[in-house]
Amino acid sequence: EAGVTQFPSHSVIEKGQTVTLRCDPISGHDNLYWYRRVMGKEIKFLLHFVKESKQDESGMPNNRFLAERTGGTYSTLKVQPAELEDSGVYFCASSPGISGNTIYFGEGSWLTVV
Amino acid sequence: AQKITQTQPGMFVQEKEAVTLDCTYDTSDPSYGLFWYKQPSSGEMIFLIYQGSYDQQNATEGRYSLNFQKARKSANLVISASQLGDSAMYFCAMRDIRDSGTYKYIFGTGTRLKVLA
Repeated sequence: EAGVTQFPSHSVIEKGQTVTLRCDPISGHDNLYWYRRVMGKEIKFLLHFVKESKQDESGMPNNRFLAERTGGTYSTLKVQPAELEDSGVYFCASSPGISGNTIYFGEGSWLTVV
Repeated sequence: AQKITQTQPGMFVQEKEAVTLDCTYDTSDPSYGLFWYKQPSSGEMIFLIYQGSYDQQNATEGRYSLNFQKARKSANLVISASQLGDSAMYFCAMRDIRDSGTYKYIFGTGTRLKVLA
């Protein structure tokens, strides 16, 4: 069974450009999460989808970040326009439901804004 | 506010020895869950072990055990018989169990473990 997959694995863009990160959750998982780790700091929650609906987006830093999950399958996280402080690793995770004691993470998308 | 503190940015351990990675937490909620994740160089976050706040016994999973001291608010990870493949970044995390339906983890800054041959 395929795990959570993220694309691209690495991205280097200039300040002011747009980047779109994609996450494919484990098949059948209704819950999809985005987290971010800025270098040297802790991993922080961004938002949570249940199917195609945003359950909690309290961690989204500002309106330059837009997350979508059309059809309740894969999700995209767009940063527009990107700023230097957006550099970091963006993790996606998924889980089948509210039971269980863990969520399953992808390998992360490394974003560098120069 | 909930907070996880990992005070060891880096640790070294000799192969086959045991190592303890420290984690302290702060929460005013009576119900919570504590987790440890491993992040190897490949980048994926791998779940290692879970401890619920009401669990009476310390959690164990193979070579991993969680030294849960509730009064001290600590949840240290113990890795026994270290292997070279244990070299990775380790994150301690907490989740508010009452947030049923959402896995809003609070993470520490991580500890990088290097196992020496």
